[in-house]
Amino acid sequence: EAEVAQSPRYKITEKSQAVAFWCDPISGHATLYWYRQILGQGPELLVQFQDESVVDDSQLPKDRFSAERLKGVDSTLKIQPAELGDSAMYLCASSWKPMNTEAFFGQGTRLTVV
Amino acid sequence: AQSVTQLGSHVSVSEGALVLLRCNYSSSVPPYLFWYVQYPNQGLQLLLKYTSAATLVKGINGFEAEFKKSETSFHLTKPSAHMSDAAEYFCAVSQPGGSQGNLIFGKGTKLSVKP
Repeated sequence: EAEVAQSPRYKITEKSQAVAFWCDPISGHATLYWYRQILGQGPELLVQFQDESVVDDSQLPKDRFSAERLKGVDSTLKIQPAELGDSAMYLCASSWKPMNTEAFFGQGTRLTVV
Repeated sequence: AQSVTQLGSHVSVSEGALVLLRCNYSSSVPPYLFWYVQYPNQGLQLLLKYTSAATLVKGINGFEAEFKKSETSFHLTKPSAHMSDAAEYFCAVSQPGGSQGNLIFGKGTKLSVKP
């Protein structure tokens, strides 16, 4: 069964360090999303890609977060420098096209900043 | 602006009992509505969705939800709880006609099932 792949599953980093997460969407899915889920809360959208273009990054803290999807397939989310408050689950999702198709989520990367 | 409110951060039921998880939305137009389930340290799995077709929506694992515009609600139900239903459940909304992956989530309801 096709699934969204994320790595690493778990990451511990020290504050002020750089950290990156990788996502490989389901094959053929043009739309890719990154969400952040703080413990005890619902996920919050950080960025949405359509192919290689960003279509919504209104909630992305651009002073420290960046995201790219250079070839319109896999994607990387980076945090530099990491802060204690960035500890959360980072979820990637993808959909075949933005309209009329639901998103499928990966298992996430659990980030702990110490 | 759209928002979602899930009443009850924690619900506990006995195995075999009715499951009712509540979700109310706030939106200027009826949105698309979704219920997702999340097991510990896992991603989210779609249970069901409402996209302006039938107001009673049936999903996986015996769950269903009814869209009630007059009450701005989309409560999730299951007639008989199973131990495997213990998880966290999230209600979410998206703009009608917009991206179904661009979602606003509620804070979640953790469901416990007692033997």
